[in-house]
Amino acid sequence: DGGITQSPKYLFRKEGQNVTLSCEQNLNHDAMYWYRQDPGQGLRLIYYSQIVNDFQKGDIAEGYSVSREKKESFPLTVTSAQKNPTAFYLCASSIAGARQETQYFGPGTRLLVL
Amino acid sequence: AQSVAQPEDQVNVAEGNPLTVKCTYSVSGNPYLFWYVQYPNRGLQFLLKYITGDNLVKGSYGFEAEFNKSQTSFHLKKPSALVSDSALYFCAVRDIRADTGRRALTFGSGTRLQVQP
Repeated sequence: DGGITQSPKYLFRKEGQNVTLSCEQNLNHDAMYWYRQDPGQGLRLIYYSQIVNDFQKGDIAEGYSVSREKKESFPLTVTSAQKNPTAFYLCASSIAGARQETQYFGPGTRLLVL
Repeated sequence: AQSVAQPEDQVNVAEGNPLTVKCTYSVSGNPYLFWYVQYPNRGLQFLLKYITGDNLVKGSYGFEAEFNKSQTSFHLKKPSALVSDSALYFCAVRDIRADTGRRALTFGSGTRLQVQP
């Protein structure tokens, strides 16, 4: 899992509650990504950020929000608008601009709804 | 648009036998192709990638993959499977012409490899 940490490992959300998933990297990577993993569906992109203070929506951004105030941190908030949040959430990072940049993944956070 | 297909949900192989996990892709230009492995409740680990050059790419843990442009395939292979290779394998693609603001990978749905002792 390299130099990417995600916390917590498990997270429980109550109805109507916003929760925040942490992602930190010490690889000095410019780009960071959030993916959602559901059984049998592979990984789907939620948000990505190529540089500090800038981020873009991915394929399934509705009900999620992010911030990128520091190069090493890219927290994801799952809002109450996300009606089906139960999933495994994976954060990744890469060297932006490298022609063959490889994404490296954190260990993941499993979000469950109470 | 870019897409990846992994046609097999599960592959079963006996220990010591060769294994193949299939992947086909679709991009408008030329692809960058990746294989990742995932163990239960863990993040994805990078195995290997194809950028350009030799069509046979060697990666971690004895795995290799063959890029076939005419068949738009990038199958993962290993000459002799180990029980410890049992995991979920993902193929991913990125179009090399993707603009700088869209470098995220597109993943296949994954193939579960089960190696029997």
